[in-house]
Amino acid sequence: AQTVTQSQPEMSVQEAETVTLSCTYDTSESDYYLFWYKQPPSRQMILVIRQEAYKQQNATENRFSVNFQKAAKSFSLKISDSQLGDAAMYFCAYGLYSGGGADGLTFGKGTHLIIQP
Amino acid sequence: DVKVTQSSRYLVKRTGEKVFLECVQDMDHENMFWYRQDPGLGLRLIYFSYDVKMKEKGDIPEGYSVSREKKERFSLILESASTNQTSMYLCASSRGLAGGEDTQYFGPGTRLTVL
Repeated sequence: AQTVTQSQPEMSVQEAETVTLSCTYDTSESDYYLFWYKQPPSRQMILVIRQEAYKQQNATENRFSVNFQKAAKSFSLKISDSQLGDAAMYFCAYGLYSGGGADGLTFGKGTHLIIQP
Repeated sequence: DVKVTQSSRYLVKRTGEKVFLECVQDMDHENMFWYRQDPGLGLRLIYFSYDVKMKEKGDIPEGYSVSREKKERFSLILESASTNQTSMYLCASSRGLAGGEDTQYFGPGTRLTVL
């Protein structure tokens, strides 16, 4: 079974600074996808960024980027120029490529990100 | 934009009651999912469905059942609610071309309290 580990229950960063959230996962599969989701206090889970395991290039979305290390099974999220609106729970998730079927995601336990003004 | 809606934001039920949680998506997605979210445990998959009337058990299906009579609607049923089912329930949907490559879009969640 796949597992996802987020070792930082809580992180705090000053506004405008950079913060990195850690995620490691365990799988024996070679085709899979990794996601970072954000859940603000309003509770709506929002996709931040996704990475296909077959791509060596790290995904980026504006101020959000990942450091994907497939051999180390590591998938960290870097948030640059942190803003107050970035305060939320961040979940790392793993999705197996199932080639035509459906499969649920496996989530980590989350990291609570606090932005200090 | 994909929209996933859930029938209630907050729900309070008594032990032993039958509880229905409803989820509707408006983007013609094939796949729909029910997760349970508990502090310190993240999200855990209860059930999912890849087509009308089709369902698969997730990691924690015990005490739950689901129904998908129409493509856009996926219901989670607690046949006899218990206090250990007090939790946040999140519904999600995805397009359905293939499993993990589909981004899942989430609803706002239902906070269920069982007394």
